Amino acid sequence: GQQLNQSPQSMFIQEGEDVSMNCTSSSIFNTWLWYKQDPGEGPVLLIALYKAGELTSNGRLTAQFGITRKDSFLNISASIPSDVGIYFCAGPSTTSGTYKYIFGTGTRLKVLA
Amino acid sequence: EAGVVQSPRYKIIEKKQPVAFWCNPISGHNTLYWYLQNLGQGPELLIRYENEEAVDDSQLPKDRFSAERLKGVDSTLKIQPAELGDSAVYLCASSLGIGSYNEQFFGPGTRLTVL
Repeated sequence: GQQLNQSPQSMFIQEGEDVSMNCTSSSIFNTWLWYKQDPGEGPVLLIALYKAGELTSNGRLTAQFGITRKDSFLNISASIPSDVGIYFCAGPSTTSGTYKYIFGTGTRLKVLA
Repeated sequence: EAGVVQSPRYKIIEKKQPVAFWCNPISGHNTLYWYLQNLGQGPELLIRYENEEAVDDSQLPKDRFSAERLKGVDSTLKIQPAELGDSAVYLCASSLGIGSYNEQFFGPGTRLTVL
């Protein structure tokens, strides 16, 4: 079935540094979604991408929909301690015959003050 | 506006015992989802409701899991009997409808520990 692979799995960075993470798939996605999950909470949508090549920003976050439609990237600029959390990519599955989201395995971000 | 409410937030039970989780979606949201999230993994869909109808339950282990959304609002997810491998976070989400343009809003989840 469709799977989303995220890298890196985890990362430690210094406050103020920029962060990059990506999400890849073996199959084409028509939509890419990026979520953040804080400890003890549910995921919260950060950015949604609907078109190949699309570049969308939300504050210090920027995400891109890969041209091949098989990948997406999320960048965080000038990281701050509250950026700590797990970042998931997700996209709608089309293989099961019904509509559902597939989530990646997550990138765990830790920011060192 | 209140978000998705779930209870309990934490539950510890012994194996073979039954357990139930409750979810109250955002007012007006017709679509409700139950997800399973294992440690270190992303959420996986268990069941999706459109109003009171379960339209996708293909991932729900029907031998021990059941769900209902009787009046198309609140929903309960039940496990009977629970097994050790059921220890996980159970997330509820809701949206106005389906499709990528309808954002799914997640509740805080119920963390289940089966001993």
